[in-house]
Amino acid sequence: QKEVEQNSGPLSVPEGAIASLNCTYSDRGSQSFFWYRQYSGKSPELIMFIYSNGDKEDGRFTAQLNKASQYVSLLIRDSQPSDSATYLCAVARGNTPLVFGKGTRLSVIA
Amino acid sequence: NAGVTQTPKFQVLKTGQSMTLQCAQDMNHNSMYWYRQDPGMGLRLIYYSASEGTTDKGEVPNGYNVSRLNKREFSLRLESAAPSQTSVYFCASSEGRESETYNSPLHFGNGTRLTVT
Repeated sequence: QKEVEQNSGPLSVPEGAIASLNCTYSDRGSQSFFWYRQYSGKSPELIMFIYSNGDKEDGRFTAQLNKASQYVSLLIRDSQPSDSATYLCAVARGNTPLVFGKGTRLSVIA
Repeated sequence: NAGVTQTPKFQVLKTGQSMTLQCAQDMNHNSMYWYRQDPGMGLRLIYYSASEGTTDKGEVPNGYNVSRLNKREFSLRLESAAPSQTSVYFCASSEGRESETYNSPLHFGNGTRLTVT
């Protein structure tokens, strides 16, 4: 069974700090990796996706992928209280449906 | 710019009742999905439709049926609701072209909060 593991948190960081969220996956053939943000009572919204090893940056967000070690991480620079949410990691092999982790709850303290 | 629209937003059913959750997307996406989200369990795939005319079971299909009515619409039916089906249901869509090596991002609807008593 394909598994995606995330620390449930909560991860607490002070405002302005870097938040680091990690995700490991079991299927070595996975090729697509996604990070979603979900506010309480709302639907998941896409933050970014990454397909290749290395870093991908989008504004304050950086996704890092290491296929050899089977992990993907999300860095949030200059964290803001509005970043407080649950962050979902999702992984897919080829064009098969995404498999989601259970999410990490992030709390940014003002 | 509607994206993915789900109806209803809230529903309360009694055990044994049936209902259909509706989902429509206006992004001309090929693939559509139904997930359920329960506390501590994350998002779990119920059924999906990779393209119009096809449907496949996901991780937790028991107790559900689906219909891909056309490219835009994908409905989820509970034939005889059970308390274990109390959950938040999300419909999602993606470009999902079969020739792609990589999967495309999902776009989610706002969810249906279902309670079965």
